[in-house]
Amino acid sequence: EAGVVQSPRYKIIEKKQPVAFWCNPISGHNTLYWYRQNLGQGPELLIRYENEEAVDDSQLPKDRFSAERLKGVDSTLKIQPAELGDSAVYLCASSLDSRLYGYTFGSGTRLTVV
Amino acid sequence: AQTVTQSQPEMSVQEAETVTLSCTYDTSENNYYLFWYKQPPSRQMILVIRQEAYKQQNATENRFSVNFQKAAKSFSLKISDSQLGDTAMYFCATSSGSARQLTFGSGTQLTVLP
Repeated sequence: EAGVVQSPRYKIIEKKQPVAFWCNPISGHNTLYWYRQNLGQGPELLIRYENEEAVDDSQLPKDRFSAERLKGVDSTLKIQPAELGDSAVYLCASSLDSRLYGYTFGSGTRLTVV
Repeated sequence: AQTVTQSQPEMSVQEAETVTLSCTYDTSENNYYLFWYKQPPSRQMILVIRQEAYKQQNATENRFSVNFQKAAKSFSLKISDSQLGDTAMYFCATSSGSARQLTFGSGTQLTVLP
């Protein structure tokens, strides 16, 4: 069984440019999460999906960040325009029930904004 | 709101010895779960061990075990017979039972020395 697949693995962009990250969760996992992990820190939740519905996006900076999960499967996270402070690792995770099983994480996308 | 505190930013241990990583947390939930995740340089977050708060028995997974002190809100991880492959960042996390998400600590960088 394939794990959570994310792409790209690395991305370097200039500030003010747009960028998008893609995530394919584990088949059957209805819950999908996007986390941001700054250097030397723990991941912080950006948005949580239950199927195709965003049920918790309170930490998502909505002026520049957007996300979608079409058909309740794959998801994309977009930043437009990117700022220097957006440099981080963006992790996608999926779960059947995070309380019981925790998450299965992807390998993340390391974004560098220059 | 939940908080997780890991007070040891870095630790080292000699190969084959035992090391304990500390974690304290705060939650208003009555039913919650606790997790330790390992993040090697590959960035893949790997679930090490989980504990259900309503169970008094400490969880064990091979060389990994926890010391769960519910009253003190403490959840430490003990790694026995440390191996070079254990070198990684270790994150303590707690679930939010009602919100179905994980809150992470800031991590402890563990280095196993040959």
